[in-house]
Amino acid sequence: QSALAQPASVSGSPGQSITISCTGTSGDVGGYDYVSWYRHHPGEAPTFLLYEVKNRPSGVSDRFSGSKSGNTASLTISGLRAEDEAEYYCSSYTNKYTVIFGGGTKLTVL
Amino acid sequence: EPQVVESGGGLVQAGGSLRLSCAASGFTVRGLWTHWARQVPGLGLAWVSRIDSDGSSASYADSVKGRFTVSRDSATSMVYLQLNSLRVEDTAVYYCTSGSFSHLDVWGQGTTVTVSS
Repeated sequence: QSALAQPASVSGSPGQSITISCTGTSGDVGGYDYVSWYRHHPGEAPTFLLYEVKNRPSGVSDRFSGSKSGNTASLTISGLRAEDEAEYYCSSYTNKYTVIFGGGTKLTVL
Repeated sequence: EPQVVESGGGLVQAGGSLRLSCAASGFTVRGLWTHWARQVPGLGLAWVSRIDSDGSSASYADSVKGRFTVSRDSATSMVYLQLNSLRVEDTAVYYCTSGSFSHLDVWGQGTTVTVSS
């Protein structure tokens, strides 16, 4: 099964907002509200940002928000900060009782 | 503080086997799933496998199905990932995570598996 489709890179200036898309199929993103998002700084363990499309675990800033329309989910980061520069991944539950990740998006804060 | 710690990575020849271990602390694993994910050098994260809290349900990515087996020791709450028939393309950092059936919440630092030809 191919990875969910994410843009390879996005960029923004401090204080701006950016959105990262995550496109799948009706067998994963489109079929379930079980989309999650993760942030990964190189050399560190990934961190969990959102679950079930738009829910934030405790401790995650409200600068991170999520949405979904059809087969595409989105992560929006508002008020960009230098520390947001990282790789971002989406994931989705699938109709094969598995989980699938997106290909990852490198966020550059200009 | 909740955390998971992986161990068991190493260097192995193609066709060989390894067993990775995952220990959770700082939280109860009852009702939680344990997932394994990996990151091949230079590439993105990939989901590998998951197992439920009592070890009765497991699933695998197509790329490892039939070669990898996930298990749980209910007495110790340790989770294991048995890697058999290893291929060069299985070289990666393997992460253990705890979460729900669909999301990966608490991540470990990872353990490195290197498969040589």
